[in-house]
Amino acid sequence: GAVVSQHPSWVICKSGTSVKIECRSLDFQATTMFWYRQFPKQSLMLMATSNEGSKATYEQGVEKDKFLINHASLTLSTLTVTSAHPEDSSFYICSARSIGGGAGASEAFFGQGTRLTVV
Amino acid sequence: GQNIDQPTEMTATEGAIVQINCTYQTSGFNGLFWYQQHAGEAPTFLSYNVLDGLEEKGRFSSFLSRSKGYSYLLLKELQMKDSASYLCAVRDLGSNDYKLSFGAGTTVTVRA
Repeated sequence: GAVVSQHPSWVICKSGTSVKIECRSLDFQATTMFWYRQFPKQSLMLMATSNEGSKATYEQGVEKDKFLINHASLTLSTLTVTSAHPEDSSFYICSARSIGGGAGASEAFFGQGTRLTVV
Repeated sequence: GQNIDQPTEMTATEGAIVQINCTYQTSGFNGLFWYQQHAGEAPTFLSYNVLDGLEEKGRFSSFLSRSKGYSYLLLKELQMKDSASYLCAVRDLGSNDYKLSFGAGTTVTVRA
């Protein structure tokens, strides 16, 4: 299947600082990338849809000024958690859709996820 | 929006078969995915159904009935390593794009 690489795998940061998470499609070009958040023992919740060269579309209740998304190229999207607080501690996961990706295509595959802990 | 329901927990014995059901309600259905997720790890893609019927992949099979808004994941010859959470996800057309919505997941515990 398609390979999506996410970095870092885990990060610990101090409250008030910002953290950047990278999501890369390694063997295909991704017009769209998706960012999810998962709290312990809960399911994945879509945070935003990132489209290359345009602004991200955020789901209801997700603060766009707090979770900055940049999809600068067809292989890279970044999520920056700004002024992080302990309640932002979570598992963040990305997936990517290839150009012309149809049903059952690359968006089915996730990055490894990033465990963020804010202390 | 979507309403995706699946059981919270299931327990089975090694070597047995377990069936995880998933029901959904959506207006612009465009496929149903099953994922396996071990604790602390990202979900791993298992199967994809967009047409009615059964898709078989080794020990795992997935079934879809679009008219009933129903799918199941069948795990055969259970192994201890199959203990994990299994997520049902539906892709449908949102306001301007296709999106995946996930069920809460079913935790399967395999016992010796």
